[in-house]
Amino acid sequence: EVQLVESGGGWVQPGGSLRLSCAASGLTFSDHYMDWVRQAPGKGLEWVARIRNRAKSYTTEYAASVEGRFTISRDDSKNSLFLQMHSLKIEDTAMYYCASSAGDSSLFYFVANWGQGDLVTVSS
Amino acid sequence: DIQMTQSPSSLSASVGDRVTITCRASQVINNHLAWFQQKPGKAPKSLIYAASSLQGGVPSKFSGSGSGTDFTLTINSLQPEDFATYYCQQYNTYPLTFGGGTKVEIK
Repeated sequence: EVQLVESGGGWVQPGGSLRLSCAASGLTFSDHYMDWVRQAPGKGLEWVARIRNRAKSYTTEYAASVEGRFTISRDDSKNSLFLQMHSLKIEDTAMYYCASSAGDSSLFYFVANWGQGDLVTVSS
Repeated sequence: DIQMTQSPSSLSASVGDRVTITCRASQVINNHLAWFQQKPGKAPKSLIYAASSLQGGVPSKFSGSGSGTDFTLTINSLQPEDFATYYCQQYNTYPLTFGGGTKVEIK
C-alpha cells in the first residue's frame, strides 16, 4: 500500500519560510514523478509544483503563483520529497498535499496517490 | 494556461441514480485527463487517468470518457459513500490545472 506522509506544516508570519517534507513508502519512489498540490480553506485544488525522476534529471515545474518563492526537491535515498517555501503570503494558506505521479501509456504523468495533507497557515 | 470548466458545480441525486459530470478544457489535451474524488475533511482520491482508465481498486461503477476538449465522468448506481466533490485535472500541459469541482449531494 502506498503511503505518503507530510510533515513540517504550521503557522508562519507573512514573509516567513517553511519547509514541508513528505515520507513515501510502498512504492518505488525513484521511478515516480512527485507533486505538491494545495487547497485553500473552502476552495478547490491547485497544483503547485512537480519534480521529475532521475531519468528526467530531476527537472522541475512550478505554478506561476509560487515560482521563485518555492523550491521542490527530493532525496531518493530517503524516499523523501520536500517543498521549501520562502516569502510566504497570506494567500499561501492552504492544506498542502504530497502526491506521487505515474506515467500513462503515452508517458504523460498523472497523480496516482495522495498524502493526507499538512496545513500551512500564513498569518500575522 | 489551460482552463478546465466543470459542470454542474453541484447536483442533488438520490441513492441508485446515475450521475454524469462534464469537464471541458480550453485547449486540446488529447486524453490526458484525470478525475479525483474528495470527501469532506479528507485527501483527494484518484479515480481515473487517461480519460477512461480506472485506477487500481476503483469500482467499475465509475467510468470516464472523452478526448480532445470534452470529457465526462459517470457514476452508476450512486451509493451513500459516493457523495463527495469530484475534480477533473488536465496533465497535458504545464501548469497542470484542475476544474472547479462538482459537489454531489444527497437529494
